Amino acid sequence: NAGVTQTPKFQVLKTGQSMTLQCAQDMNHNSMYWYRQDPGMGLRLIYYSASEGTTDKGEVPNGYNVSRLNKREFSLRLESAAPSQTSVYFCASQTGGNQPQHFGDGTRLSIL
Amino acid sequence: RKEVEQDPGPFNVPEGATVAFNCTYSNSASQSFFWYRQDCRKEPKLLMSVYSSGNEDGRFTAQLNRASQYISLLIRDSKLSDSATYLCVVNPPTSTSYGKLTFGQGTILTVHP
Repeated sequence: NAGVTQTPKFQVLKTGQSMTLQCAQDMNHNSMYWYRQDPGMGLRLIYYSASEGTTDKGEVPNGYNVSRLNKREFSLRLESAAPSQTSVYFCASQTGGNQPQHFGDGTRLSIL
Repeated sequence: RKEVEQDPGPFNVPEGATVAFNCTYSNSASQSFFWYRQDCRKEPKLLMSVYSSGNEDGRFTAQLNRASQYISLLIRDSKLSDSATYLCVVNPPTSTSYGKLTFGQGTILTVHP
């Protein structure tokens, strides 16, 4: 039972490069989320998708874009990476509004 | 006032000890509540949901006090493997914030031999 799968696990980029972080869930969940977590800090919501076909900004959306490709997949794109985007990125999914979220094991991204 | 506040700790306890964490939340209309644990550099994992009547899962007991707007987690007979950061998580009213969870900063627990 894979749950939430994120790729890649690790990535090093140069400033100005672009990349897409992939997330897929096999639990038939409606909602999906992207967070970042910086050392010593809590989780901060970047974007979320309450259901297939919808996306909304979270707390820290600047510098990111997302695509809810289908019910299973929710990708996060960095168009022009900056050192301030060095972080651990977690994707999560949720079946409904009052339910807990289930997390992938993260993508560790370093931008030089 | 922060939406979800936790004592960051760290809590350092010996094996076999009982330890309790508290968490307060600001929105009285919050819908659901959870405790997650997060190991160093790993993803948060759901430990347990928190219900109004209180609930227990083995050595772990969670309580919710809506009147005082706080949630607690009690760990009995602590194990070395309980060492982690414990996150208090609150689900605000769905009318204003569908599904978006609010995470506390976490309480660090270290269990030593």
